[in-house]
Amino acid sequence: KNEVEQSPQNLTAQEGEFITINCSYSVGISALHWLQQHPGGGIVSLFMLSSGKKKHGRLIATINIQEKHSSLHITASHPRDSAVYICAVNYGGSQGNLIFGKGTKLSVKP
Amino acid sequence: NAGVMQNPRHLVRRRGQEARLRCSPMKGHSHVYWYRQLPEEGLKFMVYLQKENIIDESGMPKERFSAEFPKEGPSILRIQQVVRGDSAAYFCASSPGGFQPQHFGDGTRLSIL
Repeated sequence: KNEVEQSPQNLTAQEGEFITINCSYSVGISALHWLQQHPGGGIVSLFMLSSGKKKHGRLIATINIQEKHSSLHITASHPRDSAVYICAVNYGGSQGNLIFGKGTKLSVKP
Repeated sequence: NAGVMQNPRHLVRRRGQEARLRCSPMKGHSHVYWYRQLPEEGLKFMVYLQKENIIDESGMPKERFSAEFPKEGPSILRIQQVVRGDSAAYFCASSPGGFQPQHFGDGTRLSIL
């Protein structure tokens, strides 16, 4: 069974802290996505990557294909970063069928 | 707003009624995806469509659920004879095709009385 595991499930941080959220998956993928979901709100696509590292503002996403692992980092965290962060993958040749992790609920305290 | 538009944002139905959820993809996107998020659970893939074609419906329940993406107009997710267990947030996403990022709508929150 294809699975996507995220850790931690919940994370509380103080403003300014460096945050890491982890994602591991079980078989070969064609792409990995990091998404952000605010309470009661929509979903925003943060990154799509298949190798290496991507950076956007204070967010950095890395992927290690050999270890089947990805991390999302947030530098200088801020209360507005509080949200659920979701890892999702396209397995094999599947273009549309995203498999999602259960999400990491991040709360950044001022 | 050039983003993915879903309507309605909230939909209340009584058991046995039909629910129709609409999704207009971003301009230039011809691929649409529907996902369901049950309360306290993660997102689950339902169906992937291109204009006038269903590409992958492996996540659709076998009964009562159907989806279409006509040549003109929005994509429609239709749920017939709704039951309490259909209460969820339904998200639509679109992409231009290929392995491109999917852009998500704000979702439709469906509540069944």
